[in-house]
Amino acid sequence: DQQVKQNSPSLSVQEGRISILNCDYTNSMFDYFLWYKKYPAEGPTFLISISSIKDKNEDGRFTVFLNKSAKHLSLHIVPSQPGDSAVYFCAASRGDALNFGKGTSLLVTP
Amino acid sequence: DSGVTQTPKHLITATGQRVTLRCSPRSGDLSVYWYQQSLDQGLQFLIQYYNGEERAKGNILERFSAQQFPDLHSELNLSSLELGDSALYFCASSVNPGRSSGNTIYFGEGSWLTVV
Repeated sequence: DQQVKQNSPSLSVQEGRISILNCDYTNSMFDYFLWYKKYPAEGPTFLISISSIKDKNEDGRFTVFLNKSAKHLSLHIVPSQPGDSAVYFCAASRGDALNFGKGTSLLVTP
Repeated sequence: DSGVTQTPKHLITATGQRVTLRCSPRSGDLSVYWYQQSLDQGLQFLIQYYNGEERAKGNILERFSAQQFPDLHSELNLSSLELGDSALYFCASSVNPGRSSGNTIYFGEGSWLTVV
């Protein structure tokens, strides 16, 4: 049973524009959410996280928004750069191991 | 470089065989996790160890087992291999066992297993 869902397998955005990656979850007990970025032939790397007590966390060009009532979070990348092209995984935890979505492949075109 | 080391990077083996994947966590990390990534699946959590003890179990098959040794390295044993076991197996580590929020885990580069 997939508790974390990323319904868009892929996304294409022009360089300089905003990339918005979405994630939905079903378990209301999740209290910590993360985004990981993965390049081919590499392991996922931690990007940004947010606790359930917050609704926004910003780190440079990356901002994560959490809407607990909708059980939805999103990752905004502004401005998008070609080097951001990768697979992005959303993950959620309730104090134990992380539950991952299937990933969204982002392509940033020049 | 995340600091998590996995060996081997690639492995090809025949159905019915048994393999062992090895993981060394980041220095200071006590918790080790194993994840499986198949072609059409996301990262599926298999199992977690903390300081030598099993802490959480996910979608791990009975043919698979793992352990964490006193020096904190971990091994994932896959036996009676089937074609469907072909996947990328990731090890990850973290400082704490994940009982509190804020548990960020760091991944190794993965071990590619191909079963033929």
